[in-house]
Amino acid sequence: KAGVTQTPRYLIKTRGQQVTLSCSPISGHRSVSWYQQTPGQGLQFLFEYFSETQRNKGNFPGRFSGRQFSNSRSEMNVSTLELGDSALYLCASSLGGSRSGQRGYTFGSGTRLTVV
Amino acid sequence: SQQGEEDPQALSIQEGENATMNCSYKTSINNLQWYRQNSGRGLVHLILIRSNEREKHSGRLRVTLDTSKKSSSLLITASRAADTASYFCATDALGANSKLTFGKGITLSVRP
Repeated sequence: KAGVTQTPRYLIKTRGQQVTLSCSPISGHRSVSWYQQTPGQGLQFLFEYFSETQRNKGNFPGRFSGRQFSNSRSEMNVSTLELGDSALYLCASSLGGSRSGQRGYTFGSGTRLTVV
Repeated sequence: SQQGEEDPQALSIQEGENATMNCSYKTSINNLQWYRQNSGRGLVHLILIRSNEREKHSGRLRVTLDTSKKSSSLLITASRAADTASYFCATDALGANSKLTFGKGITLSVRP
């Protein structure tokens, strides 16, 4: 069974640009969550999608957005990049349903975004 | 904001020794999960303990949960050099709706 696939692995962008990150969950998993990891703030929840609907959202500005497709693949977009957006972005998949968290999550290897 | 606070922040032990890591949290939870992360890579799910459970085992791992004290501990027995990693506790809080809140993590170094 293939794991959670995140692309690209590394990305360097310039301040003001926008970026799109991709996450393919484990086959059969319908829930995809996104997290940002920085040395200062640690791991912070961005949002969760289930069956193409955003089900939960963290405390991030509107520059951070996401979507989920009918095959459960998800993308997150960050517009007008700032230096502080440099981070490891992780996505996690789970079976979904009413309580996604009850079985634990499978994380991808992450996308390392550097904003210069 | 961080829900969990791990303790200690860093731990260095000799191979073969046991490692105990603690986590405290603030709100009522559905479950608490422990994850491992190697060198800034993805998180690996280790073990999940539900709010109505007090202790759980998985291989060399033993996790306990005390909901009255809002705390959990992770014990790794007979540690190996390959256990060197960062360990995070994460809470699935009541009403959080599929959102995990992580602590800042513990850096474990196992010396060969």
